[in-house]
Amino acid sequence: EPEVTQTPSHQVTQMGQEVILRCVPISNHLYFYWYRQILGQKVEFLVSFYNNEISEKSEIFDDQFSVERPDGSNFTLKIRSTKLEDSAMYFCASSETGGFQPLHFGNGTRLTVT
Amino acid sequence: QKEVEQDPGPLSVPEGAIVSLNCTYSNSAFQYFMWYRQYSRKGPELLMYTYSSGNKEDGRFTAQVDKSSKYISLFIRDSQPSDSATYLCALSYNQGGKLIFGQGTELSVKP
Repeated sequence: EPEVTQTPSHQVTQMGQEVILRCVPISNHLYFYWYRQILGQKVEFLVSFYNNEISEKSEIFDDQFSVERPDGSNFTLKIRSTKLEDSAMYFCASSETGGFQPLHFGNGTRLTVT
Repeated sequence: QKEVEQDPGPLSVPEGAIVSLNCTYSNSAFQYFMWYRQYSRKGPELLMYTYSSGNKEDGRFTAQVDKSSKYISLFIRDSQPSDSATYLCALSYNQGGKLIFGQGTELSVKP
């Protein structure tokens, strides 16, 4: 069964550094998403992306965050200057288009900011 | 009032029991309802989804939506130790829209 792939599985970075989290969505999917889950808290929406542009973003997704689809297969989340509070699991998800289609999630990247 | 509320548990049941997991929501504009299962340090795995009131069955799992009460449920029949995980309800207002997740209920099925 096709799946969403995320790399790396764990990323440790120092406060103030830039990080790029990478995702390969399911190949025929056209909607892409990033969610995050701080330890012990709910899964929270960050951003959705469709037709090469952001379709919706949350309050969390401020100017420090950006997303990109650099080629036909990858979808990335960049955090320009990481803060301690950015430490979380970051999940990429994708879905098909045409009527309601549920989201399929990757296994996440654990980001630790020290 | 929170958009989506879910009892975090933990819930512990013996193998073979029927499990009932529930979420309530505050906004009647939610149209799509999903249940995900999440194992420790893994991503949410889709179990079931529906967009209408009523029941939807898939094997040992039944999803139930009551829009009039703003209440959704997931029933697991003949529960197995492998069902031990955190179960997340997730709701969406529209197609392609963001999911609003519940807190998740941690379930443990004891052999």
